[in-house]
Amino acid sequence: RKEVEQDPGPFNVPEGATVAFNCTYSNSASQSFFWYRQDCRKEPKLLMSVYSSGNEDGRFTAQLNRASQYISLLIRDSKLSDSATYLCVLEGTDKLIFGTGTRLQVFP
Amino acid sequence: DTGVSQDPRHKITKRGQNVTFRCDPISEHNRLYWYRQTLGQGPEFLTYFQNEAQLEKSRLLSDRFSAERPKGSFSTLEIQRTEQGDSAMYLCASSLGRDSPLHFGNGTRLTVT
Repeated sequence: RKEVEQDPGPFNVPEGATVAFNCTYSNSASQSFFWYRQDCRKEPKLLMSVYSSGNEDGRFTAQLNRASQYISLLIRDSKLSDSATYLCVLEGTDKLIFGTGTRLQVFP
Repeated sequence: DTGVSQDPRHKITKRGQNVTFRCDPISEHNRLYWYRQTLGQGPEFLTYFQNEAQLEKSRLLSDRFSAERPKGSFSTLEIQRTEQGDSAMYLCASSLGRDSPLHFGNGTRLTVT
């Protein structure tokens, strides 16, 4: 089983839609979780950390379910500029482990 | 610009040649990481440094790969006798420490012909 698994997508959604991505992980000892965003042919950039109680940053909401070992990212009111690949990331043994990413395409 | 910088941005080399990449992390960051990314995949961990000490190397890092961070500041990644399978984006990142998010550089795109 992969350490981090994501649906590669693509998710094609219209502007204004709400879209959610899930990510499952295998290492129950992982303590830190993040979502990174990566635009085509660019470096990954931190979107938000994921806290145990769930957290929100504007239109973005992240949640962690330790019992089922998954994290989620919800994007409300999608914008064209949200089109990117969203990488699920967790703390491994002294390093961050990245999923393969979920591609989102928002269309007008 | 106080972000992570990598040089060169692009490198095209012939199979069998040696290449070296440089990474300058954010100055106050103790940890420096190297990742490799191919199309359609997420970044794969290669190695990391805590100050000048190289603390872990991935099994992906064959004997042809070597990384250094001699003074705990910039780092170099050298690939000897390059192979076509080495073609990828090589990403450098730095962080304040464990559990801290990574800040990536723009990457070095390597093409081995």
